Amino acid sequence: DAGVIQSPRHEVTEMGQEVTLRCKPISGHNSLFWYRQTMMRGLELLIYFNNNVPIDDSGMPEDRFSAKMPNASFSTLKIQPSEPRDSAVYFCASSPDYRPANEQFFGPGTRLTVL
Amino acid sequence: GDSVTQMEGPVTLSEEAFLTINCTYTATGYPSLFWYVQYPGEGLQLLLKATKADDKGSNKGFEATYRKETTSFHLEKGSVQVSDSAVYFCALTENQAGTALIFGKGTTLSVSS
Repeated sequence: DAGVIQSPRHEVTEMGQEVTLRCKPISGHNSLFWYRQTMMRGLELLIYFNNNVPIDDSGMPEDRFSAKMPNASFSTLKIQPSEPRDSAVYFCASSPDYRPANEQFFGPGTRLTVL
Repeated sequence: GDSVTQMEGPVTLSEEAFLTINCTYTATGYPSLFWYVQYPGEGLQLLLKATKADDKGSNKGFEATYRKETTSFHLEKGSVQVSDSAVYFCALTENQAGTALIFGKGTTLSVSS
């Protein structure tokens, strides 16, 4: 079975450029989560969706960040314009439904470097 | 708000040593507790979980007991292997709709042969 798929795996860009990260959740999963991991702040939840609807985006750092889930099999996280402090590993995770005790299945992550 | 505190790493052990990674939590309700593991270059994977007080989660020789009286969920393994080298995350979620996982900062374990 395919797990959560993220692309690209690595992204290097220059400050001010737009960055789009992509995620394909596990088929049949109804909940999708975007996390950011840095050495300083650890693992932070940015936003999560249930049935393609954003439930809580309070973790999105600022207006430069936006996330969409146009259908059950695809989500994007966009940063525009990007800044060096956005450098991090971004993880997408999915879960079968929104019962809180359910396991979340993580993708391999996208390592973003903003120069 | 809710939070998770883990012991700072790195933890460095020899193969077959006993492992304990401490985790304590603060929560307003009755959360479910989890340990996730992240191997180098990979995403996180669920290692074990416990959903109510006194439950013991176990997997791959690891275990952790949900202790409500001490608000703890310490991870233990009797004999570690080199392949256990990874970052371990303690996490909780309140058992209510509309809540998500809250992670600790992670503890790096390095096991040498």
